[in-house]
Amino acid sequence: DIQMTQSPSSLSASVGDRVTITCRASQSISSYLNWYHQKPGKAPKLLIYAASSLQSGVPSRFSGSGSGTDFSLTISSLQPEDFATYYCQQSYSTPRTFGQGTKVEIK
Amino acid sequence: QVQLQESGPGLVKPSETLSLTCTVSGGSFSGYYWSWIRQPAGKGLEWIGRIYSSGSTSYNPSLKSRVTMSVDTSKNQFSLKLSSVTAADTAMYYCARVPITGTTNDWFDPWGLGTLVTVSS
Repeated sequence: DIQMTQSPSSLSASVGDRVTITCRASQSISSYLNWYHQKPGKAPKLLIYAASSLQSGVPSRFSGSGSGTDFSLTISSLQPEDFATYYCQQSYSTPRTFGQGTKVEIK
Repeated sequence: QVQLQESGPGLVKPSETLSLTCTVSGGSFSGYYWSWIRQPAGKGLEWIGRIYSSGSTSYNPSLKSRVTMSVDTSKNQFSLKLSSVTAADTAMYYCARVPITGTTNDWFDPWGLGTLVTVSS
């Protein structure tokens, strides 16, 4: 299985901050990397697919980059509704696997 | 827009079979993969497997011996059966749609609201 490792596991930030979360794959996954966020008590929601493509309806403050083994998700200006847990997920091979999550909390 | 809704018993006894159904509404059922994903309380996400609208399946090897998925295209539904459950199978279970992209690059969107299944006697 491909292991996905996110860092940090959690972070505290203020509204308006620029936030970057990284995700590393245990082997090259090309650009087959997706990002989701999950608010408490809710289902995950797709933000970015194929490493850098913004899902329809997702605010442009979210962006993704990377290829191979190293990827990042950036929120250019953190908004109150962005406080959530963020997950990366690889679709290069089966089984599909997720990172352990990064919890973004209010400072 | 397409919506997914999980349904099934919220409590299953150890050693019995967990059975869930996902009903798809507001969009096409054919031509997509449909997945099950679970999340124990306070933990991360685990992919259980997926089924194509024609019925072909792919399962997580860690669960493969206990998992069966099926589709009912007449009802726009797909189902999950997980046998010989233990407390470790207690989790929120989500269903999700997976687009056909022409490559292995795919993703889960949208997701159902999820249904909590507790394994306990």
